[in-house]
Amino acid sequence: DQQVKQNSPSLSVQEGRISILNCDYTNSMFDYFLWYKKYPAEGPTFLISISSIKDKNEDGRFTVFLNKSAKHLSLHIVPSQPGDSAVYFCAASSDNNNDMRFGAGTRLTVKP
Amino acid sequence: NAGVMQNPRHLVRRRGQEARLRCSPMKGHSHVYWYRQLPEEGLKFMVYLQKENIIDESGMPKERFSAEFPKEGPSILRIQQVVRGDSAAYFCASSTLQGASYNEQFFGPGTRLTVL
Repeated sequence: DQQVKQNSPSLSVQEGRISILNCDYTNSMFDYFLWYKKYPAEGPTFLISISSIKDKNEDGRFTVFLNKSAKHLSLHIVPSQPGDSAVYFCAASSDNNNDMRFGAGTRLTVKP
Repeated sequence: NAGVMQNPRHLVRRRGQEARLRCSPMKGHSHVYWYRQLPEEGLKFMVYLQKENIIDESGMPKERFSAEFPKEGPSILRIQQVVRGDSAAYFCASSTLQGASYNEQFFGPGTRLTVL
């Protein structure tokens, strides 16, 4: 059951431009959302998160937006840098449930 | 380095053999999670454990797979009588106490299992 979906398997952007990665979810019980970044041969690393009581969370070049009515969140990276090239996973969980659900990932390539 | 450790990093098994994957959580973390990533797919939750307890194994196949997190030592994910479809990357993650609103999970580097 695909409760978290990342419909774009890949995204390519030019260095300095904005990268927008999208994620949709179906389970209305989810109230906490996370983005993980994964380099080849490494485990995912936490990037940024957002609680359902917010609609935006910003950390440096990374901003996550949450639209609860649409069950949609997005990760904005601006300006994009070549070192941002990685696979980005969207994840969702509920406050009392450690069963975190992941999307299939989006491979971001930032071209110099 | 006090991060989550997994070993081995790569494991090759023939069909029918047993695979044992080990995970040492971050220092101070008492919650361990196992995930599987099949080729071209996202991470799929398998099992959530605390010390000596399985809390949620809803994502783990009912047969051939088992997990433990003993009082002493690493968490072990065991796959008996492996089949080719078990070939995947297996990631372990750990976190601090449940109940906090922020239960960020820290991931290990993964074990890549190849079944010949």
